[in-house]
This record gives sequence, structure tokens and C-alpha cells, in this order.
Amino acid sequence: KNQVEQSPQSLIILEGKNCTLQCNYTVSPFSNLRWYKQDTGRGPVSLTIMTFSENTKSNGRYTATLDADTKQSSLHITASQLSDSASYICVPHSGAGSYQLTFGKGTKLSVIP
Amino acid sequence: DTAVSQTPKYLVTQMGNDKSIKCEQNLGHDTMYWYKQDSKKFLKIMFSYNNKELIINETVPNRFSPKSPDKAHLNLHINSLELGDSAVYFCASSQSDRGGEQFFGPGTRLTVL
Repeated sequence: KNQVEQSPQSLIILEGKNCTLQCNYTVSPFSNLRWYKQDTGRGPVSLTIMTFSENTKSNGRYTATLDADTKQSSLHITASQLSDSASYICVPHSGAGSYQLTFGKGTKLSVIP
Repeated sequence: DTAVSQTPKYLVTQMGNDKSIKCEQNLGHDTMYWYKQDSKKFLKIMFSYNNKELIINETVPNRFSPKSPDKAHLNLHINSLELGDSAVYFCASSQSDRGGEQFFGPGTRLTVL
């Protein structure tokens, strides 16, 4: 059964600090992995996608890493801002239909001044 | 321009009633979805609809039924509402059903009293 474990469940950091969110998955076979950001009261928005052959990808202050061998991904946020407060959801994909996407429960990040 | 829109944003109703949530996407996507996000913030797929092919999550009660008048719309009908149906329902769309980026609507918060 495909599973996604994200840690920590929640995180509080001071504005300007860095943080790293973790995602372990058991999806097999593996095609790609997306990180979504979900602001409170809104739908998720894609931040980045990692394919099997990619190890690191950056999108502004967000840097995602992927280790397909150990089935782990991380999302590093640099110089956090108040607007980074949101839930971050890891979504690995097996390459089959979209119906086979497995959503993680997310990490709730709170950035405080 | 709103890519994926849902109406209503909030829906409060009594147990036993029948209600509908509408969804429209103007992205020209082929695949649309309905998700349920419960109080624990876990996103669970309910339906995937692509080119008139409907894939149903087997755990979804048959009180829930999607209706697609055309490619740009996927409405969700719920009969005989129960307390446990209270959640936020998200509509989403993607270019195809092969695991690409999904674009989510703003969500509909359903409260069953």
C-alpha cells in the first residue's frame, strides 16, 4: 500500500530562520514527487516537482531534495517570511493515473515575528 | 482570472438534506477531481473524471455523485447528508490523468447540523 509520512506534523519558527520539512514515502514504482503549499482556507498550490533523476530543485527560497533510493524528500525554506505560514504537503506519484496520487498529511508551518 | 472556481464557499445544512457543490475550470484541462479534507487536514480523493471516464474511490458512499455537464464542469451532488460529511471539499483539475500538476479550487466548507 502506498504511504506518505511527513515530519514534523507542525513547526513554529521565527521569521528569518530556515527550516527543513521531511517526507518519507513507499510509493512504488516511483515517477515524481510534488510539494504543495496550502494556505489556511485555500486550496493547495504546487511549489515544485521532482522527477526520478533529480536530486535538488529550487524555487526561490524553497529548495526540494529527493533521494529516490531511500524514498525520502525534503523541503528547505530559507529566510522564512510570515507568508510562509501554511501546510506543506508531499505528493509522490507512481506514474500511473492521477487517481493513484497519495497525499501526505502535511506539515503545518507557523512563522512568527 | 480564477482558474478553478467553486460555489458556494460555505454551506450549512441539516442532516438528511440533499445539496450540490459546483466546480468550473477555465484552464482547458481534461481531468477534474473532487477531494475531501477532514478536520485532520488529510486530503482524500473522492472522484477522478477524465473524458467521461469516472473513477470512484471505493470508500466514497453512493450518496455522493459527480455530474459533469461538459469538460469544464464537475459538480458534486450529496444526498441524505450526514454529520460525518462535514468537511472542506476541494475541486481540482489537471491537464491529463497522468499525475501532472493539479490546480485546486478555493474549497467549499460544508457543515451538517
